[in-house]
Amino acid sequence: GENVEQHPSTLSVQEGDSAVIKCTYSDSASNYFPWYKQELGKRPQLIIDIRSNVGEKKDQRIAVTLNKTAKHFSLHITETQPEDSAVYFCAAIPEGQNFVFGPGTRLSVLP
Amino acid sequence: NAGVTQTPKFQVLKTGQSMTLQCAQDMNHNSMYWYRQDPGMGLRLIYYSASEGTTDKGEVPNGYNVSRLNKREFSLRLESAAPSQTSVYFCASSNYGVNTEAFFGQGTRLTVV
Repeated sequence: GENVEQHPSTLSVQEGDSAVIKCTYSDSASNYFPWYKQELGKRPQLIIDIRSNVGEKKDQRIAVTLNKTAKHFSLHITETQPEDSAVYFCAAIPEGQNFVFGPGTRLSVLP
Repeated sequence: NAGVTQTPKFQVLKTGQSMTLQCAQDMNHNSMYWYRQDPGMGLRLIYYSASEGTTDKGEVPNGYNVSRLNKREFSLRLESAAPSQTSVYFCASSNYGVNTEAFFGQGTRLTVV
């Protein structure tokens, strides 16, 4: 089955700086790659996703890039703000199969 | 449109007691999932149901059973609770085969003493 690795496990950045979180996956059949944000005590919620026929997708301050050849994808957050502090999870899903999440990255944005 | 609803939100059990966590979704999703999240840890899949009438084991199924009662409801049962099952449990749903967003319930914080 699919195996997803995520790095780093913790990340601290100064407010206004950029943050990058990277994930690798094992199953070349995976074709859907969502990113979830989980604030303290809350449920995970989707912030951005990308499909295998697209190399990059951007939504305001967040962007995701995908390299299918190398089997890795990354989340980029620019101009970080205190409200970006949360745990971020990536996932890689082969067509028609269940969600396999990475172990998560705890992002802290320091004022 | 409530999305995914879990009950209860909090529960304390004594070792050996049993309980059922309830989950219902109103988005007409085919797939439903149960995850557990331990402090500082990721989301580990317990069981999932790709469609009504089917269930499959995930990464950590031992000590749990599930029932896909109908398309809307997917319950998780602990037959004999153990302290190692102290965790936050999340139910989620998505459209199997379509790979769209997974929606999560608000979570159940379970403590086994």
